[in-house]
Amino acid sequence: DTAVSQTPKYLVTQMGNDKSIKCEQNLGHDTMYWYKQDSKKFLKIMFSYNNKELIINETVPNRFSPKSPDKAHLNLHINSLELGDSAVYFCASSPASGTLTDTQYFGPGTRLTVL
Amino acid sequence: AQSVAQPEDQVKVAEGNPLTVKCTYSVSGNPYLFWYVQYPNRGLQFLLKYITGDNLVKGSYGFEAEFNKSQTSFHLKKPSALVSDSALYFCAVRGYNTDKLIFGTGTRLQVFP
Repeated sequence: DTAVSQTPKYLVTQMGNDKSIKCEQNLGHDTMYWYKQDSKKFLKIMFSYNNKELIINETVPNRFSPKSPDKAHLNLHINSLELGDSAVYFCASSPASGTLTDTQYFGPGTRLTVL
Repeated sequence: AQSVAQPEDQVKVAEGNPLTVKCTYSVSGNPYLFWYVQYPNRGLQFLLKYITGDNLVKGSYGFEAEFNKSQTSFHLKKPSALVSDSALYFCAVRGYNTDKLIFGTGTRLQVFP
């Protein structure tokens, strides 16, 4: 009964490939996010979606394209992978967009390694 | 602009001793502050948050944090550290009128037996 789940947990791929990471939450939340944690453990938001609608897009290269088929899922597709994309990607969810007091709950992360 | 700072990259304490992990913040508007913990090869787990009200916030696993408006601080504390508390701790602030969390650089806590 994992609240926020991500697949795969590890992803190793070659430069130039296209890959996707999937995220699902069973908390009934309206809002989902993608964060990136770099090699120095610095965490930064990439995107947020509220009920399938893009809310936040933080100066992320357009090689990254989030897709939300429904409010329980937020997938991240990355085209033409580069070495600098190597990181841990975390999905998160919170009850509602615009409610600044809500807690965000994070998934276990996907460690992406680009060779 | 909203920001948080964690001045210590690492904190070492002996098991049984009290621990403090420091966080200072800078915000426009009301500060909504959060602490998360990341165990090795795991996701971030929510510990506690300050929204309003009592300056001492109690959270999971015996942790608490003290909100100090005059010092713009939100330090994480625990009266008696456990070896199992060893992990990476992140302070975060909600962005100004946005959902995003802005994280500090993290503090690695090491509790030795």
